[in-house]
Amino acid sequence: NAGVMQNPRHLVRRRGQEARLRCSPMKGHSHVYWYRQLPEEGLKFMVYLQKENIIDESGMPKERFSAEFPKEGPSILRIQQVVRGDSAAYFCASSRGSSSSYNEQFFGPGTRLTVL
Amino acid sequence: QKEVEQNSGPLSVPEGAIASLNCTYSDRGSQSFFWYRQYSGKSPELIMFIYSNGDKEDGRFTAQLNKASQYVSLLIRDSQPSDSATYLCAAGGSNYKLTFGKGTLLTVNP
Repeated sequence: NAGVMQNPRHLVRRRGQEARLRCSPMKGHSHVYWYRQLPEEGLKFMVYLQKENIIDESGMPKERFSAEFPKEGPSILRIQQVVRGDSAAYFCASSRGSSSSYNEQFFGPGTRLTVL
Repeated sequence: QKEVEQNSGPLSVPEGAIASLNCTYSDRGSQSFFWYRQYSGKSPELIMFIYSNGDKEDGRFTAQLNKASQYVSLLIRDSQPSDSATYLCAAGGSNYKLTFGKGTLLTVNP
């Protein structure tokens, strides 16, 4: 399957624990985006990364959240000291490029994070 | 604040009818527009994108863009019960960032 892969699909954490969400982009794609979807709300942009570079993290909460996309391996979204308000679906998307002609973004299956 | 507005619905149409979904956007710099379908509990699935004014057809789907009116629409012909889902409209600028509407829930009744 050459689609966007995310794992785990479901993640349960207690308040104060860390959550690590992983994303492997579609084959041939080098641009990765993370979005969060809260119940009854739309998808909200969090961060855009290319290999070894964070291009735009303007949608990331200032504290506890970080993201990386190393030279080797998947992109990681890390949430430290989780709180109940972090419970949401986190989606990763990838695209072939970032210009307006190539920024069709394809989504992975998502990670549903539940904080107890 | 860049915004994309959609009627939340639900929009209910009988099987075989045309479903019309609408979207407006606030950022005149937006250049690319996308329609995603999202089934309950699933991830968004890209079904159409459009960059130029006018119509773009793909099978039963037609996307329409009017940049002067900042308006995007999606028509689904011969609607099927399997089309029942939430449809998300998204706008992109000259860069990568997509701004999504909250989606319109479509129900196609057999």
